[in-house]
Amino acid sequence: DIRLTQSPSSLSASVGDRVTITCRASQHITNYLNWYQQKPGKAPTLLIYAATSFQTGVPSRFSGSGSGTYFTLTISSLQPEDFAVYYCQQSYITPYTFGQGTKLE
Amino acid sequence: EVQLVESGGGLVQPGGSLRLSCVASGFTFSYYEMNWVRQAPGKGLEWVSYINDGGNSIYYADSVKGRFTISRDNANNSLSLQMNSLRAEDTAVYYCARVPRRTVACMDFWGPGTLVTVSP
Repeated sequence: DIRLTQSPSSLSASVGDRVTITCRASQHITNYLNWYQQKPGKAPTLLIYAATSFQTGVPSRFSGSGSGTYFTLTISSLQPEDFAVYYCQQSYITPYTFGQGTKLE
Repeated sequence: EVQLVESGGGLVQPGGSLRLSCVASGFTFSYYEMNWVRQAPGKGLEWVSYINDGGNSIYYADSVKGRFTISRDNANNSLSLQMNSLRAEDTAVYYCARVPRRTVACMDFWGPGTLVTVSP
């Protein structure tokens, strides 16, 4: 199975900060990497797919980069509604694994 | 408006069975692949199972293989997950999620989830 390791596991930040979350894959997955946001008690929502493509409706302050085994999700200027848990997920091969999550607080 | 609504969750004893359903609306269900994803209380996300649009390509996580069965009824816009031989570690919120037609598979719409609790 492909293992995804996110860092950090938690991150303290303030409104207006620029934050970056990293996701490392245990093997090469080209760009088969997606990012999701999850707020307490809610289902996840898709932010970024194929490592760098914006899901419709996602604010432009979110961006994704990377390929191969190293990926990042960047929020350029944190807004109050961005405090949530973020997950990366690979769809290169089943089982479709998720990272352990990064809690932004 | 795209909607996915899960149902069928509840409390079940270890070794018991449960059947989850996910009803889709607002899009042409038969065009889309679907996934089940679960989340144990206070834990991260775990992919459970995948089914293609025609229902003839199916995959499972090792943790549920041989116990869970995914299926779909395109005529009735519904997805199902038959769960047998349930264990305490199957306790989780179960989400159905749609896979849009893109080169890189992802999950663009999720239902609100249904809670399954496996306990004596």
